[in-house]
Amino acid sequence: GAVVSQHPSRVICKSGTSVKIECRSLDFQATTMFWYRQFPKQSLMLMATSNEGSKATYEQGVEKDKFLINHASLTLSTLTVTSAHPEDSSFYICSARNDVYNQPQHFGDGTRLSIL
Amino acid sequence: AQSVTQLDSQVPVFEEAPVELRCNYSSSVSVYLFWYVQYPNQGLQLLLKYLSGSTLVKGINGFEAEFNKSQTSFHLRKPSVHISDTAEYFCAVGRDYKLSFGAGTTVTVRA
Repeated sequence: GAVVSQHPSRVICKSGTSVKIECRSLDFQATTMFWYRQFPKQSLMLMATSNEGSKATYEQGVEKDKFLINHASLTLSTLTVTSAHPEDSSFYICSARNDVYNQPQHFGDGTRLSIL
Repeated sequence: AQSVTQLDSQVPVFEEAPVELRCNYSSSVSVYLFWYVQYPNQGLQLLLKYLSGSTLVKGINGFEAEFNKSQTSFHLRKPSVHISDTAEYFCAVGRDYKLSFGAGTTVTVRA
Protein backbone atom coordinates (compact mmCIF):
# COMPACT_ATOMS: atom_id res chain seq x y z
CA GLY A 1 0.00 0.00 0.00
CA ALA A 2 0.81 3.73 0.03
CA VAL A 3 2.08 3.99 -3.53
CA VAL A 4 3.08 7.30 -5.06
CA SER A 5 3.46 7.51 -8.82
CA GLN A 6 5.49 10.25 -10.45
CA HIS A 7 5.39 11.00 -14.16
CA PRO A 8 7.36 11.37 -16.32
CA SER A 9 10.41 9.57 -15.01
CA ARG A 10 12.67 11.40 -17.40
CA VAL A 11 12.26 14.44 -19.61
CA ILE A 12 14.63 16.25 -21.91
CA CYS A 13 13.59 19.54 -23.42
CA LYS A 14 14.88 22.73 -24.90
CA SER A 15 15.65 25.84 -22.92
CA GLY A 16 12.66 28.15 -22.59
CA THR A 17 9.96 25.49 -22.55
CA SER A 18 7.74 24.68 -19.59
CA VAL A 19 7.67 21.22 -18.11
CA LYS A 20 4.92 19.69 -16.00
CA ILE A 21 5.59 16.86 -13.54
CA GLU A 22 2.73 14.90 -12.01
CA CYS A 23 2.64 13.25 -8.62
CA ARG A 24 -0.22 10.88 -7.82
CA SER A 25 -1.12 8.94 -4.71
CA LEU A 26 -2.57 5.70 -6.06
CA ASP A 27 -4.13 4.08 -3.02
CA PHE A 28 -4.56 6.78 -0.41
CA GLN A 29 -5.70 10.36 -0.12
CA ALA A 30 -2.79 12.75 0.05
CA THR A 31 -3.76 15.71 2.18
CA THR A 32 -0.20 17.01 1.94
CA MET A 33 2.32 16.70 -0.86
CA PHE A 34 5.94 17.77 -0.87
CA TRP A 35 8.25 18.65 -3.73
CA TYR A 36 12.01 18.15 -3.41
CA ARG A 37 14.97 18.85 -5.61
CA GLN A 38 18.09 16.74 -5.53
CA PHE A 39 21.40 17.63 -7.11
CA PRO A 40 23.90 14.88 -8.00
CA LYS A 41 25.45 13.25 -4.96
CA GLN A 42 23.55 15.60 -2.65
CA SER A 43 20.64 15.40 -0.31
CA LEU A 44 17.05 16.36 -0.94
CA MET A 45 16.12 20.00 -0.62
CA LEU A 46 12.51 20.76 0.16
CA MET A 47 11.10 23.19 -2.39
CA ALA A 48 7.49 23.50 -1.27
CA THR A 49 4.65 21.93 0.65
CA SER A 50 1.17 21.79 -0.77
CA ASN A 51 -2.14 21.01 0.85
CA GLU A 52 -5.15 20.02 -1.21
CA GLY A 53 -7.15 23.05 -2.25
CA SER A 54 -4.68 25.57 -0.83
CA LYS A 55 -1.77 27.55 -2.16
CA ALA A 56 1.60 25.90 -1.79
CA THR A 57 4.05 27.05 0.86
CA TYR A 58 7.45 27.63 -0.67
CA GLU A 59 10.79 27.35 1.10
CA GLN A 60 13.06 30.33 1.27
CA GLY A 61 14.91 30.91 -1.97
CA VAL A 62 12.47 28.97 -4.17
CA GLU A 63 10.85 31.13 -6.85
CA LYS A 64 7.09 30.74 -6.81
CA ASP A 65 6.68 31.99 -10.34
CA LYS A 66 9.34 29.64 -11.59
CA PHE A 67 8.05 26.50 -9.91
CA LEU A 68 4.26 26.45 -10.07
CA ILE A 69 2.60 23.91 -7.81
CA ASN A 70 -1.01 22.86 -8.01
CA HIS A 71 -2.66 20.42 -5.61
CA ALA A 72 -6.13 20.31 -7.09
CA SER A 73 -7.28 16.98 -5.67
CA LEU A 74 -6.49 14.56 -2.88
CA THR A 75 -4.61 12.32 -5.29
CA LEU A 76 -2.78 14.69 -7.61
CA SER A 77 -0.22 17.45 -7.35
CA THR A 78 1.67 18.97 -10.25
CA LEU A 79 4.92 20.89 -10.45
CA THR A 80 5.43 23.06 -13.51
CA VAL A 81 8.90 24.37 -14.21
CA THR A 82 8.22 27.47 -16.28
CA SER A 83 10.62 28.75 -18.93
CA ALA A 84 13.13 26.13 -17.95
CA HIS A 85 16.86 26.78 -18.31
CA PRO A 86 19.87 24.47 -18.02
CA GLU A 87 20.37 25.40 -14.36
CA ASP A 88 16.94 23.92 -13.64
CA SER A 89 18.22 20.51 -14.66
CA SER A 90 17.92 18.27 -11.64
CA PHE A 91 16.20 15.28 -10.08
CA TYR A 92 12.79 16.26 -8.74
CA ILE A 93 11.06 14.03 -6.21
CA CYS A 94 7.57 14.30 -4.77
CA SER A 95 6.20 12.75 -1.64
CA ALA A 96 2.75 12.49 -0.18
CA ARG A 97 1.11 11.76 3.14
CA ASN A 98 -2.27 11.65 4.78
CA ASP A 99 -2.27 13.94 7.79
CA VAL A 100 -5.48 12.48 9.16
CA TYR A 101 -3.93 9.05 9.57
CA ASN A 102 -0.56 10.52 10.58
CA GLN A 103 1.28 8.69 7.84
CA PRO A 104 4.96 9.12 7.12
CA GLN A 105 5.85 10.56 3.73
CA HIS A 106 5.71 8.17 0.79
CA PHE A 107 8.00 9.06 -2.08
CA GLY A 108 7.63 8.87 -5.82
CA ASP A 109 10.44 7.52 -7.97
CA GLY A 110 11.52 10.97 -9.10
CA THR A 111 11.79 12.80 -12.41
CA ARG A 112 15.12 13.43 -14.10
CA LEU A 113 14.80 16.80 -15.84
CA SER A 114 17.44 17.75 -18.39
CA ILE A 115 17.28 21.15 -20.08
CA LEU A 116 19.39 21.56 -23.21
CA ALA B 1 15.23 24.80 13.66
CA GLN B 2 16.41 21.27 13.08
CA SER B 3 19.37 19.77 11.28
CA VAL B 4 20.93 16.43 10.55
CA THR B 5 24.56 15.43 10.23
CA GLN B 6 25.55 12.15 8.67
CA LEU B 7 29.08 11.58 9.78
CA ASP B 8 30.20 9.32 6.94
CA SER B 9 29.80 10.27 3.30
CA GLN B 10 30.95 6.88 2.01
CA VAL B 11 31.05 3.47 3.65
CA PRO B 12 32.60 0.57 1.76
CA VAL B 13 31.86 -2.81 3.28
CA PHE B 14 32.32 -6.45 2.38
CA GLU B 15 29.36 -8.73 1.84
CA GLU B 16 28.11 -10.42 5.03
CA ALA B 17 30.00 -7.92 7.20
CA PRO B 18 28.15 -5.62 9.61
CA VAL B 19 27.61 -1.96 8.83
CA GLU B 20 26.80 1.11 10.91
CA LEU B 21 25.77 4.46 9.50
CA ARG B 22 26.03 7.34 11.89
CA CYS B 23 23.51 10.14 12.23
CA ASN B 24 23.38 13.03 14.67
CA TYR B 25 20.64 15.59 14.84
CA SER B 26 19.86 18.86 16.51
CA SER B 27 16.48 20.30 17.28
CA SER B 28 14.97 22.69 19.75
CA VAL B 29 11.87 20.49 20.09
CA SER B 30 11.20 16.80 20.18
CA VAL B 31 11.20 15.31 16.72
CA TYR B 32 10.61 12.18 14.78
CA LEU B 33 13.58 10.42 13.17
CA PHE B 34 13.75 8.44 9.95
CA TRP B 35 16.11 6.46 7.78
CA TYR B 36 15.48 6.23 4.06
CA VAL B 37 17.24 4.29 1.30
CA GLN B 38 17.58 5.49 -2.28
CA TYR B 39 18.57 3.24 -5.15
CA PRO B 40 19.96 4.84 -8.34
CA ASN B 41 17.44 6.99 -10.20
CA GLN B 42 14.68 6.17 -7.76
CA GLY B 43 12.83 7.92 -4.98
CA LEU B 44 13.24 7.22 -1.31
CA GLN B 45 12.03 4.16 0.51
CA LEU B 46 11.40 4.27 4.24
CA LEU B 47 13.60 1.84 6.17
CA LEU B 48 12.41 2.68 9.66
CA LYS B 49 11.21 5.48 11.87
CA TYR B 50 11.30 6.50 15.50
CA LEU B 51 8.28 8.34 16.84
CA SER B 52 8.28 7.40 20.52
CA GLY B 53 8.57 4.41 22.82
CA SER B 54 11.32 1.83 22.56
CA THR B 55 14.61 3.38 21.53
CA LEU B 56 15.56 0.36 19.42
CA VAL B 57 13.66 0.43 16.18
CA LYS B 58 13.56 -2.44 13.73
CA GLY B 59 12.93 -1.78 10.06
CA ILE B 60 12.77 -3.55 6.76
CA ASN B 61 15.53 -5.59 5.13
CA GLY B 62 17.15 -6.44 8.47
CA PHE B 63 18.03 -2.87 9.42
CA GLU B 64 17.66 -1.44 12.90
CA ALA B 65 18.45 1.87 14.54
CA GLU B 66 18.85 3.10 18.07
CA PHE B 67 17.65 6.47 19.28
CA ASN B 68 19.93 8.02 21.87
CA LYS B 69 18.47 11.20 23.25
CA SER B 70 21.45 12.19 25.39
CA GLN B 71 23.81 11.89 22.43
CA THR B 72 21.21 13.15 19.94
CA SER B 73 22.02 10.25 17.67
CA PHE B 74 20.07 7.79 15.56
CA HIS B 75 22.60 5.34 14.12
CA LEU B 76 21.55 2.71 11.60
CA ARG B 77 22.91 -0.83 11.72
CA LYS B 78 22.71 -4.09 9.87
CA PRO B 79 24.52 -7.19 11.16
CA SER B 80 25.19 -8.72 7.74
CA VAL B 81 24.93 -6.82 4.46
CA HIS B 82 24.18 -8.07 0.97
CA ILE B 83 25.26 -6.79 -2.41
CA SER B 84 21.72 -5.51 -2.85
CA ASP B 85 22.20 -3.12 0.08
CA THR B 86 24.43 -0.96 -2.11
CA ALA B 87 22.60 2.36 -2.16
CA GLU B 88 22.41 5.86 -0.73
CA TYR B 89 21.09 6.16 2.81
CA PHE B 90 19.54 9.30 4.25
CA CYS B 91 18.82 10.15 7.84
CA ALA B 92 15.99 12.63 8.33
CA VAL B 93 14.47 14.51 11.22
CA GLY B 94 11.06 16.05 11.26
CA ARG B 95 8.15 17.36 13.15
CA ASP B 96 4.67 17.34 11.65
CA TYR B 97 6.43 15.35 8.99
CA LYS B 98 8.23 18.29 7.42
CA LEU B 99 11.58 16.62 7.00
CA SER B 100 15.16 17.82 7.01
CA PHE B 101 17.59 15.39 5.42
CA GLY B 102 21.21 14.67 6.04
CA ALA B 103 23.69 14.76 3.18
CA GLY B 104 23.52 11.02 2.69
CA THR B 105 25.86 8.07 3.09
CA THR B 106 26.84 5.97 0.10
CA VAL B 107 27.12 2.32 1.04
CA THR B 108 29.02 0.13 -1.38
CA VAL B 109 28.95 -3.60 -0.67
CA ARG B 110 31.70 -5.66 -2.24
CA ALA B 111 31.89 -9.41 -2.66
